[in-house]
Amino acid sequence: DTGVSQDPRHKITKRGQNVTFRCDPISEHNRLYWYRQTLGQGPEFLTYFQNEAQLEKSRLLSDRFSAERPKGSFSTLEIQRTEQGDSAMYLCASTWLPNTGELFFGEGSRLTVL
Amino acid sequence: AQTVTQSQPEMSVQEAETVTLSCTYDTSESDYYLFWYKQPPSRQMILVIRQEAYKQQNATENRFSVNFQKAAKSFSLKISDSQLGDAAMYFCAQTGYGGATNKLIFGTGTLLAVQP
Repeated sequence: DTGVSQDPRHKITKRGQNVTFRCDPISEHNRLYWYRQTLGQGPEFLTYFQNEAQLEKSRLLSDRFSAERPKGSFSTLEIQRTEQGDSAMYLCASTWLPNTGELFFGEGSRLTVL
Repeated sequence: AQTVTQSQPEMSVQEAETVTLSCTYDTSESDYYLFWYKQPPSRQMILVIRQEAYKQQNATENRFSVNFQKAAKSFSLKISDSQLGDAAMYFCAQTGYGGATNKLIFGTGTLLAVQP
């Protein structure tokens, strides 16, 4: 299967710790997106990359959050000094340009901050 | 600003029956895409159906069809002959046309239960 993969699938951490999530997009996709989804809500946009360039960041992405896509392939999302409010599902999606607007999602990384 | 509103937090349908999920949206863009995505429990979100706003004809994918009312900014999903595997969270979403960002804006979702 060559879909979008995310790792780890689940992460439990204590408040104040740093966590990092990885996303491997579909190989030919040049666009990569991070979303956050809390219980009972739809996914909320965090940031996106065109190849290795980070082109937009949501105001939801506080300075404790950083995302990279160093070689235009996989991406990492790091959360520093985690807070309980960071508990959520972090979704990665990818696509290519030009395209029809569809995003291809991974299964997500669920973060629980104790 | 783009917004998507799903006013039905939960819906239920009997197997083999038809159900309609509602969605309204707002956008200042003249061209855009609208989507319905399905998120089964603990599985990734997958595309159900897509509608280009410039097309007047409603999109159809097998048992799934939409009722797109551009003037009313309404985009409902009809599932015919419901199956147990249709049980999932359904999200309505929109994005601008032409891939400027492809930043999907999602609604809050409708949880669909299918009763045997």
